[in-house]
Amino acid sequence: QSVLTQPSSASGTPGQRVTISCSGSSSNIGSNAVNWYQQLPGTAPKLLIYTNDQRPSGVPDRFSASKSGTSASLAISGLQSEDEADYYCAAWDDSLNGPVFGGGTKLTVL
Amino acid sequence: QLQLQESGPGLVKPSETLSLTCSVSGGSVSSRSYYWGWIRQPPGKGLEWIGTFSYAGSTYYNPSLKSRVTISVDTSKNQFSLKLSSVTAADTAVYYCGRTAYRSSLWDYWGQGTLVTVSS
Repeated sequence: QSVLTQPSSASGTPGQRVTISCSGSSSNIGSNAVNWYQQLPGTAPKLLIYTNDQRPSGVPDRFSASKSGTSASLAISGLQSEDEADYYCAAWDDSLNGPVFGGGTKLTVL
Repeated sequence: QLQLQESGPGLVKPSETLSLTCSVSGGSVSSRSYYWGWIRQPPGKGLEWIGTFSYAGSTYYNPSLKSRVTISVDTSKNQFSLKLSSVTAADTAVYYCGRTAYRSSLWDYWGQGTLVTVSS
């Protein structure tokens, strides 16, 4: 049971826009920044979005994210086959005194 | 370019101690600007934070693992280590080392991960 709640799966066709939600509480998303990770099959997670809505260098602008209250969302526009991966949200939790993760969303490009 | 590499036994017997090392290149574990730590991922499941430390002195452990976890650093080798005692099958996972920041869920560099199986 993950502290942050994400849908277990999402899907879309090439070119479509998909969104992935992440729900938390006042002790994590409500009071700390949200980061998103992309994990391609068989590889380590890669930082995709940091501090709620910032893209690291090299991440296409097709990826965007936002945060409101105790929830956050990741949007992928112009979906491509290489976007097929697991996506995780994360936030620092003041009660745990450590980072917490969502359970992950498996994105399938149909 | 910062690189991290995990190493250690891939098979550990139940009740024994899991020991892994993370070797860092292209950066220093004694940097006071960053924190370093461990995250694990059971097969087919999500990510779980294990613990984080800073050379400046702060160490944080996941409360659910705290009684069994020790993270230490060897600055002479630019490495840090994880020890998890009294392991069970539930500790079977891919273990990642990485770099993070103070009170942050931002992990910007990760090792490739190493699978540790707990089995007799």
